[in-house]
Amino acid sequence: AQRVTQPEKLLSVFKGAPVELKCNYSYSGSPELFWYVQYSRQRLQLLLRHISRESIKGFTADLNKGETSFHLKKPFAQEEDSAMYYCALRGSQGNLIFGKGTKLSVKP
Amino acid sequence: DSGVTQTPKHLITATGQRVTLRCSPRSGDLSVYWYQQSLDQGLQFLIQYYNGEERAKGNILERFSAQQFPDLHSELNLSSLELGDSALYFCASSVGSSRTYEQYFGPGTRLTVT
Repeated sequence: AQRVTQPEKLLSVFKGAPVELKCNYSYSGSPELFWYVQYSRQRLQLLLRHISRESIKGFTADLNKGETSFHLKKPFAQEEDSAMYYCALRGSQGNLIFGKGTKLSVKP
Repeated sequence: DSGVTQTPKHLITATGQRVTLRCSPRSGDLSVYWYQQSLDQGLQFLIQYYNGEERAKGNILERFSAQQFPDLHSELNLSSLELGDSALYFCASSVGSSRTYEQYFGPGTRLTVT
């Protein structure tokens, strides 16, 4: 089965604290994973894709095939990071399979 | 705006009715994907078109259909609407149809069925 699990619906941290948004996947074969972000009243935007291994807005994510995870991390959260975060897996048909999302709230 | 556009932004209709949602892909993109976002199911893939042809199907109900026109815009038709069809419908576009291309999302159409 092709599935993405984000166990936390809501994650609340204080500004400057580290953040880790969890994502686990189920996929037979070589997975392609993404993190999308949706700021309030805005469209979904691609934040990261694992094949590019880049850091965007201070966020990083490492694919761990042994643990089938692709957790999103940032060492120091900012208030402007408050948003919905979706982990996604590229399905065998090319479509994206999304997790249910985690709402990140960064408090001042 | 050269990004993905969707119309209308909001749609309120009654059960049993039929609606059409429209999506214009980014300039140069040939592939269009439709997704449904509901509170209980999350974001789910419905259907994909590439250069006018259906390429992949997801969890799309038989009451729903889509097409992509020669100018590459796409329409999603929802008929015999039920309360449970109330959701945010997103369209995304990409340059090609293979797995490697990034998908760019539109702002969505919020459908409310009363």
